[in-house]
Amino acid sequence: QKEVEQNSGPLSVPEGAIASLNCTYSDRGSQSFFWYRQYSGKSPELIMFIYSNGDKEDGRFTAQLNKASQYVSLLIRDSQPSDSATYLCAVNSEAGGTSYGKLTFGQGTILTVHP
Amino acid sequence: DTEVTQTPKHLVMGMTNKKSLKCEQHMGHRAMYWYKQKAKKPPELMFVYSYEKLSINESVPSRFSPECPNSSLLNLHLHALQPEDSALYLCASSHIGDSNQPQHFGDGTRLSIL
Repeated sequence: QKEVEQNSGPLSVPEGAIASLNCTYSDRGSQSFFWYRQYSGKSPELIMFIYSNGDKEDGRFTAQLNKASQYVSLLIRDSQPSDSATYLCAVNSEAGGTSYGKLTFGQGTILTVHP
Repeated sequence: DTEVTQTPKHLVMGMTNKKSLKCEQHMGHRAMYWYKQKAKKPPELMFVYSYEKLSINESVPSRFSPECPNSSLLNLHLHALQPEDSALYLCASSHIGDSNQPQHFGDGTRLSIL
């Protein structure tokens, strides 16, 4: 059973702080890693993806991947109240040698950024 | 607005009704997915279509019947649903080429079974 675990929330940070969201996964064969943001009552929105070890930055967001430790994280700098949402970590493993993969989601971390 | 369009946005149906959910994308994606999401839970994969052929059925009950009439359209036919099937149904699509391709979600259909 492939598992994805996220740090238990909810996570509350003050406006302007760095929010750190963590995720571990059990399948060493996992190829790619995604962070989705989901506002209450809305659908998941892709915000970051990472395939290689190291850091990947996009604006205020930085994704970090360590395949040896089976760990992926998302940092949100200068957090804003509009960042308040559930953040879903998703891991993509190739489905039986196919070329489209299967997403396994973590349970999500609820982030609240308070003014 | 997302590039994956789902209709209707909301659907209320009785247990004896037959209805269909529709999903359309024009991004040239050849993989399309149906997910089910219950409140406060992550999305759960139901079906995967690749090149318009059903590739994965995650042991979904037969009262859910998917259909992919062409590369842009994905339907989910519903019949004799149960109250526990009430959920947000999400369609997603992605390129095919390697498992690194991100999946893009539609806005979902919120389904309520009376």
